[in-house]
Amino acid sequence: NAGVTQTPKFRILKIGQSMTLQCTQDMNHNYMYWYRQDPGMGLKLIYYSVGAGITDKGEVPNGYNVSRSTTEDFPLRLELAAPSQTSVYFCASSYSRTVNEQFFGPGTRLTVL
Amino acid sequence: QQQVKQSPQSLIVQKGGISIINCAYENTAFDYFPWYQQFPGKGPALLIAIRPDVSEKKEGRFTISFNKSAKQFSLHIMDSQPGDSATYFCAPGGILTGGGNKLTFGTGTQLKVEL
Repeated sequence: NAGVTQTPKFRILKIGQSMTLQCTQDMNHNYMYWYRQDPGMGLKLIYYSVGAGITDKGEVPNGYNVSRSTTEDFPLRLELAAPSQTSVYFCASSYSRTVNEQFFGPGTRLTVL
Repeated sequence: QQQVKQSPQSLIVQKGGISIINCAYENTAFDYFPWYQQFPGKGPALLIAIRPDVSEKKEGRFTISFNKSAKQFSLHIMDSQPGDSATYFCAPGGILTGGGNKLTFGTGTQLKVEL
């Protein structure tokens, strides 16, 4: 199993550009999450999904959108990039509500200039 | 509102020593208390976790101590090794309204184990 994979690893965007961060898991997990990690801070939840076709907002959803058309994929969309979105983005997945362990991908480092 | 306070921010320990990291939380709805370990350039990985029905859990050199009444839990690393040098996060968890699991991360502790 590859676990949770994320692409790209690094990206530089100009203000106002759009991009999609890709996330795929091959563990047949129902739950998937997107976090952002700012320097010296803990991770903050952006969006999450409890299954295909079901998504919900986390703590910091503004400026982002998600979709979940399959169990495996959970892309994160930035429509109009802003410098405040400069961060490291992590995707994670977990099996169920009662099996709590979240497995994290390697992250995408995004810089908006 | 800072729901989770983690201390210290950084820690230097000699090889073979004991590393202790603390986490205080406010939300009494949390029902899952994990510690995550993160190496530079990697995503966090679960190290050890405890449920609120027990006060201590040990896995190898790693121990969680949990004090429900004080709303605190701590990570103890015995016989600390240079390979333990990483950032550690407490991330108490509760139920998301949509049914998922919400982890509320602390700000992290950078541990360095010196030879």
